[in-house]
Amino acid sequence: DAGVIQSPRHEVTEMGQEVTLRCKPISGHNSLFWYRQTMMRGLELLIYFNNNVPIDDSGMPEDRFSAKMPNASFSTLKIQPSEPRDSAVYFCASGEAFFGQGTRLTVV
Amino acid sequence: AQSVAQPEDQVNVAEGNPLTVKCTYSVSGNPYLFWYVQYPNRGLQFLLKYITGDNLVKGSYGFEAEFNKSQTSFHLKKPSALVSDSALYFCAVRDRYSGAGSYQLTFGKGTKLSVIP
Repeated sequence: DAGVIQSPRHEVTEMGQEVTLRCKPISGHNSLFWYRQTMMRGLELLIYFNNNVPIDDSGMPEDRFSAKMPNASFSTLKIQPSEPRDSAVYFCASGEAFFGQGTRLTVV
Repeated sequence: AQSVAQPEDQVNVAEGNPLTVKCTYSVSGNPYLFWYVQYPNRGLQFLLKYITGDNLVKGSYGFEAEFNKSQTSFHLKKPSALVSDSALYFCAVRDRYSGAGSYQLTFGKGTKLSVIP
């Protein structure tokens, strides 16, 4: 297995644009997590899914953020419209032990 | 509510010396405890996990951690540090009885370990 695959690795976008981050979890894992990492706030859980169902989205900062998991092999995190304060590294994790490489988002 | 504290932002240790990275936690029930390592521009890598049983947990790369229930601590240790151990280390906790299907981990702020040659 190639592990958790996130795309893109880097994203630079202008304020107000829509951003979509993608994640392919490890096959057979039931839980999927989206985290955001910044210097100021550290690692924050945004949302997690169990068996493709969102269980807790209380970490999603605003309505501009949304996440979907249409099937067991794919999840997206969307920000619309994006703002400079959304700049961070976004991680997807499959289960508790397997993290993707992250997407570094810069909103200018 | 659950929380994790890593009291040291940075730990410096000489190569070959033992290292300790501290972590204390708070949960309403019994904890599952984790340590992760993050190298620059990389995702987190799982090191070890405490579930139950033996208080000393052995993990990857020669690391181990000791669960101390009375002190609510889960310090990460290694007998002999390597320069390649230099990285950011995160402690995390989950309440064992947080509900069906609930896997929410709470992370500490991280501790930067620098091993000096």
